[in-house]
Amino acid sequence: DIQMTQSPSSLSASVGDRVTITCRASQGISHYLAWFQQKPGKAPKSLIYAASSLQSGVPSKFSGSGSGTDFTLTISSLQPEDFATYYCQQYNSYPPTFGHGTKVEIK
Amino acid sequence: QVQLVQSGAEVKKPGASVKVSCKASGYTFTTYDISWVRQAPGQGLEWVGWISAYSGNTNYAQKLQGRVTMTTDASTSTAHMELRSLRSDDTAVYYCTRDLSSSYWGQGTLVTVSS
Repeated sequence: DIQMTQSPSSLSASVGDRVTITCRASQGISHYLAWFQQKPGKAPKSLIYAASSLQSGVPSKFSGSGSGTDFTLTISSLQPEDFATYYCQQYNSYPPTFGHGTKVEIK
Repeated sequence: QVQLVQSGAEVKKPGASVKVSCKASGYTFTTYDISWVRQAPGQGLEWVGWISAYSGNTNYAQKLQGRVTMTTDASTSTAHMELRSLRSDDTAVYYCTRDLSSSYWGQGTLVTVSS
């Protein structure tokens, strides 16, 4: 199985900060990577698919980049509603696998 | 708009079976596959399996092979996931999602396995 390593596992940031989360695949996955946001007690929400394509309705402050093994999710200006846990997922090969998550907390 | 609405929470005893449903709306059901993902309490996301809503082809997580069955009913735009021989470590919120990239998620169904 492809291992997805997210870093950091948690971070503290202030409103207005630019935040970057990274995800590294144990082998190449082309651009078959998605990013999700999950708030406590809620279902995850898709933010990015195909590494850099913004899901419909998702604000442009979220952006994704990368291909092959190294990927990033960037939030350009953190807002109170962005404090959540973020997951990456590869869907290049079976089984699809998720990163362990990055919890973004208020500083 | 695309919606995936799942059945309600279940409490089962070890060794029992559970069947979770996921009703899709807002798109042509057979055009997109359905994936199932679970999340144990306080833990991360784990892929359970996938079914083609067009052909019925399936692919299951190896650790659940033999205990899980996924089906779809195009007439009602509903997907089902059945998990048998339940164990305590099957306790989780089970989500249905649209396609392998999980572009849309159901609200989740809590399955609790407890004696």
